[in-house]
Amino acid sequence: GNSVTQMEGPVTLSEEAFLTINCTYTATGYPSLFWYVQYPGEGLQLLLKATKADDKGSNKGFEATYRKETTSFHLEKGSVQVSDSAVYFCALSDLKGGSGGGADGLTFGKGTHLIIQP
Amino acid sequence: GAGVSQSPSNKVTEKGKDVELRCDPISGHTALYWYRQSLGQGLEFLIYFQGNSAPDKSGLPSDRFSAERTGGSVSTLTIQRTQQEDSAVYLCASSLAPARGSSNSPLHFGNGTRLTVT
Repeated sequence: GNSVTQMEGPVTLSEEAFLTINCTYTATGYPSLFWYVQYPGEGLQLLLKATKADDKGSNKGFEATYRKETTSFHLEKGSVQVSDSAVYFCALSDLKGGSGGGADGLTFGKGTHLIIQP
Repeated sequence: GAGVSQSPSNKVTEKGKDVELRCDPISGHTALYWYRQSLGQGLEFLIYFQGNSAPDKSGLPSDRFSAERTGGSVSTLTIQRTQQEDSAVYLCASSLAPARGSSNSPLHFGNGTRLTVT
């Protein structure tokens, strides 16, 4: 079955530090990969996505590259801000490969809580 | 409004009581999902509605959980005889679909209902 594994948090960094949140996946088909972000008190929002190998998704200074050889989609940002404090979820959609934890092909990781200190 | 709306935002109930959680999806979105977010457990898929098709109920944890979607729009998640382990944030999401979770129709989440069973 499909699964997504991401680093456990909380991850605490100082403002302007470099951020990496690791995400690896297991899929039986050809997944699309996503990062969602959940700010305090809010629902999840799509942050970025990549639909095929070697694609790079980017948004708000965040980037993630779809690495098929390492089955990874690590999230990076060069200089984090206090406003980036949130929970980040890695997810995959594997329509061809059948269901995973989501029965609809959409499988989420457990989330990584990021805390940025001024 | 423009986003997915959920109500109530918070619900405290006594063990054994029934609760109803409501979700208003984005207008025009044919796909609607319910997820449960528990501390340290990530997002757990519960149920999926797509248009007039029979819902995918494969994620419902027990027969105490049920959901309906009236007129292809508003959805209600009902939990009967609530237990303490039902305490979680219940998230609703909608998308244009029909390809569930496809890269062309990302999920739009509501802010969730925080359920506390005492």
